[in-house]
Amino acid sequence: DTAVSQTPKYLVTQMGNDKSIKCEQNLGHDTMYWYKQDSKKFLKIMFSYNNKELIINETVPNRFSPKSPDKAHLNLHINSLELGDSAVYFCASGVGGTGDEKLFFGSGTQLSVL
Amino acid sequence: DQQVKQNSPSLSVQEGRISILNCDYTNSMFDYFLWYKKYPAEGPTFLISISSIKDKNEDGRFTVFLNKSAKHLSLHIVPSQPGDSAVYFCAASGSTASKLTFGTGTRLQVTL
Repeated sequence: DTAVSQTPKYLVTQMGNDKSIKCEQNLGHDTMYWYKQDSKKFLKIMFSYNNKELIINETVPNRFSPKSPDKAHLNLHINSLELGDSAVYFCASGVGGTGDEKLFFGSGTQLSVL
Repeated sequence: DQQVKQNSPSLSVQEGRISILNCDYTNSMFDYFLWYKKYPAEGPTFLISISSIKDKNEDGRFTVFLNKSAKHLSLHIVPSQPGDSAVYFCAASGSTASKLTFGTGTRLQVTL
C-alpha cells in the first residue's frame, strides 16, 4: 500500500486551463505539504496544512488553491495555467513534529503546460 | 536567495569506495539538517538527519558530518554500492518540521 499517493502522475494541458492534482496519505499524519520542483531542480515548499488548517503559504500565486477535505487528503487546484507552472509537484506528509522528522513524499506529478 | 547549496551537480564513485557529498548553508538559524535520496520517477525518501548541536550522526553505511563554523555538512557513504546511485538532496529546517529548505541535489553514480 502506497503511503503517499498522488494522481495523476503526468498532466499535459494547455495554457489557461484549470487542473487539479490529488494527494492522499494513509500514514495517519496530521501535516501535509505541497512542494514544487522547477526546471532548475529546486524543491520549494508551496503550502503546509496541519489538520486541515493552512499553516504555510509561501508566496504562491493565488491561482494555486490547496484544499484539504480531511487530514488524509490535500489536493492542489490550479487556475489559468501558465507556461511557468510547468514543473514536478510533490505532495508530502509528516507528523508535524520537530525539524528533523522525516517527511514522506509522493512520487510526484509532472505538469507540462503547452 | 539560495540558503542551501550543493555545488556539485554530479559525482561518480567506484563500488566499494567512499562517496562524499557536500552541502553548504547560509542561514545560521537552521536547527536541523537532513539528507534525502531520490530515484527517478519517485519522490525523495529520508536518509539521515543531524541536529545543529551535534557534529556527527551515523546510521549504518551513512554518516553525516556538520561543521557549524563553516556552515558546511557532508554525507559519507561507505562502502558505496550500485543501489546508492540516485540524486541526494541536502535540506535544512528550523525547530519545527513546518518548512524544509532544499538544495538542488547531487547526482551520485556508483560504478562497478
